[in-house]
This record gives sequence, structure tokens and C-alpha cells, in this order.
Amino acid sequence: EAGVAQSPRYKIIEKRQSVAFWCNPISGHATLYWYQQILGQGPKLLIQFQNNGVVDDSQLPKDRFSAERLKGVDSTLKIQPAKLEDSAVYLCASSLGLAFSTDTQYFGPGTRLTVL
Amino acid sequence: GQQLNQSPQSMFIQEGEDVSMNCTSSSIFNTWLWYKQDPGEGPVLLIALYKAGELTSNGRLTAQFGITRKDSFLNISASIPSDVGIYFCAPYNNNDMRFGAGTRLTVKP
Repeated sequence: EAGVAQSPRYKIIEKRQSVAFWCNPISGHATLYWYQQILGQGPKLLIQFQNNGVVDDSQLPKDRFSAERLKGVDSTLKIQPAKLEDSAVYLCASSLGLAFSTDTQYFGPGTRLTVL
Repeated sequence: GQQLNQSPQSMFIQEGEDVSMNCTSSSIFNTWLWYKQDPGEGPVLLIALYKAGELTSNGRLTAQFGITRKDSFLNISASIPSDVGIYFCAPYNNNDMRFGAGTRLTVKP
């Protein structure tokens, strides 16, 4: 079974530029998560989708971050404009069950973003 | 706000030694998860604990869910070089999962 795919793996941009990350979850997984992992810290949840609807985006800085999951499969996370403090690894995860379940989350390899 | 403390921050051990790490929280959680993250990869679930007092093993790994629901520990016995990585506790309540800051483990052959 293929795992969670993410691209690109690495991205370097200058501050105030825009960037987008793509995630393809495990086939059939209803719930998709985006996390931000700053160097030396644990992942922090940014947004959670159940199918194509947002379940929780309370930690998403909505002035610059946006995310969508059209058709309830792939998802994109965008930052516009980027700031220096956005430098981090952006992890995508998916789980089989619906939101609020304790189904295992499977993580992708992440996209490492560097903002100069 | 909620406080989640994971310790130690890092450990340097010899191959064959046992390792212990723990997490404590200011809040009660219904589920405690332990993940391992290798360099350049996403976290992978090691052990899930669903009941206070529960002790669960997965090979050389053993984890316990504290009776107060505010803490958990993870033990690794007879460490091997591939145990190197960062270990995270991740307590969970009703769609709210928090990650600890991680314990970075280095195993010297």
C-alpha cells in the first residue's frame, strides 16, 4: 500500500514570496491533516479535513495560510506571503476513520521550507 | 494553557543499554501515543495507550499510561543502532492531539 506522498520535498524562497505544498493521502483515507514542525519541536496541527470539509483550522494563521482539499482526496497548503518564521517542515498525515476517531495517523515525509 | 513536558530532551547511550523517557501534562488526556521520527521522514506510530494504568509492549518497547491520565513513559530495552531518532509523546483528546518537544536518542555502537 502506498504511503502519504508529499511534494516538493524541499523548497527555498525569499520572504514575501508565495509557496504551495501538495499532499496525496493514502487511498480511501477520509481524514487529512497538515502539521507544521519547527526545528527542535514536535509537530503542530494547522488544519484538519474530513473528506473535503474543514473540521478544525483553529491553529492556521489565516491571514497568510490557506488550504483546500478539493474532491476529498489531494490537498494543497499555501503560504502567501511567506515570513522568515514560516521556515519549518510541513507534514501531511491521513487516517482512515472520520474526524474525532483515534485511528492511526500516517505521516508523509514532509516538505522542508526555508524562507530567506 | 495546557503544558506538555517531555524529558529528557536528548540521550546518548551505548548499544545494549536500556532507555526511559516520559511526558507529563497539566491536563488529563484519554489517549497517549508514542511516535518515532527518523531524519527526513514523518513520525511513525510506535505504541497507542487507551486506558489509564495500561501497560503495553511492542517488541523491545514498553509504554505505560499513567493512572492520573496526565503522564506516560516509554522504555526501550537493549537498544540497537537503528533506535536512533526522535521520540515524541502525543496525548490525544477528542480530535485534539498535542506533540511533546521530543527526545533525541543517539546510540553508540
